[in-house]
Amino acid sequence: GAVVSQHPSRVICKSGTSVKIECRSLDFQATTMFWYRQFPKQSLMLMATSNEGSKATYEQGVEKDKFLINHASLTLSTLTVTSAHPEDSSFYICSARNQQGLGTDTQYFGPGTRLTVL
Amino acid sequence: QKEVEQDPGPLSVPEGAIVSLNCTYSNSAFQYFMWYRQYSRKGPELLMYTYSSGNKEDGRFTAQVDKSSKYISLFIRDSQPSDSATYLCAMSVRGTYKYIFGTGTRLKVLA
Repeated sequence: GAVVSQHPSRVICKSGTSVKIECRSLDFQATTMFWYRQFPKQSLMLMATSNEGSKATYEQGVEKDKFLINHASLTLSTLTVTSAHPEDSSFYICSARNQQGLGTDTQYFGPGTRLTVL
Repeated sequence: QKEVEQDPGPLSVPEGAIVSLNCTYSNSAFQYFMWYRQYSRKGPELLMYTYSSGNKEDGRFTAQVDKSSKYISLFIRDSQPSDSATYLCAMSVRGTYKYIFGTGTRLKVLA
C-alpha cells in the first residue's frame, strides 16, 4: 500500500518550452501533496504544498508563476515548469500525505522525474 | 545553523557490520521523526517512523529518538551490500505536515 507514481520519469526539453509532471497516489486519497526539488548529492528542498481544491502554498524563493501546481483531485497533482531554462534542470519528486497510514504526518514519495533542459 | 544536521558521509562498512546513522536538530517543536532510504536516481522510501523518545525496531532496523538531546539515530544490523544508499532523516512539527530533511548520509556496504 501507499504507492505514489510520477510521470514522466525522465524528460528532456528545449529551453523555453513548458513541461508538465504528474503525481498520483495509487491506493489512497491524498488531500495534501508536496513537490520537492533535489540537486545532485543534496537533500530534498520543499518547493510547494499542494492542497486538493485550493491554491498551492509556495516556499520562500519559489516562483509560483514559474512552477504551476494543480491539485484537481484526491489522487492527482501536477507540476508545470513554464518556460523552462537550463537552470531548471533537476530531479523533481512529489510526495503524498497518507492520512490513513502510520500517522497523519507520513509522506510517501514518488520515484521522481529527472528534467533536463537543453 | 541548519534546523537538521546530518553527516553527508560517505560511510563505508564491511558486509555484516552494524551501521549507525545520526541526525541532530535544533527545533524542540519537532515531534515526528522519519528515516528514508534513497537509491540513486530514485525517490525516497520510508523506512521508519516514530514520534516518541526511545527505540523502535523493525527487522534489521532500529530507530532511536532522544528528545532531551535533540538527537536521532538509525541502526542497521547485519548490513548488506543492498543497503548501500543515501539515508535521509526527516522531521516535522505536529500539524504542519511539512518535513525538514537532513542532507542525507551516503552509505556503502562492501561485500
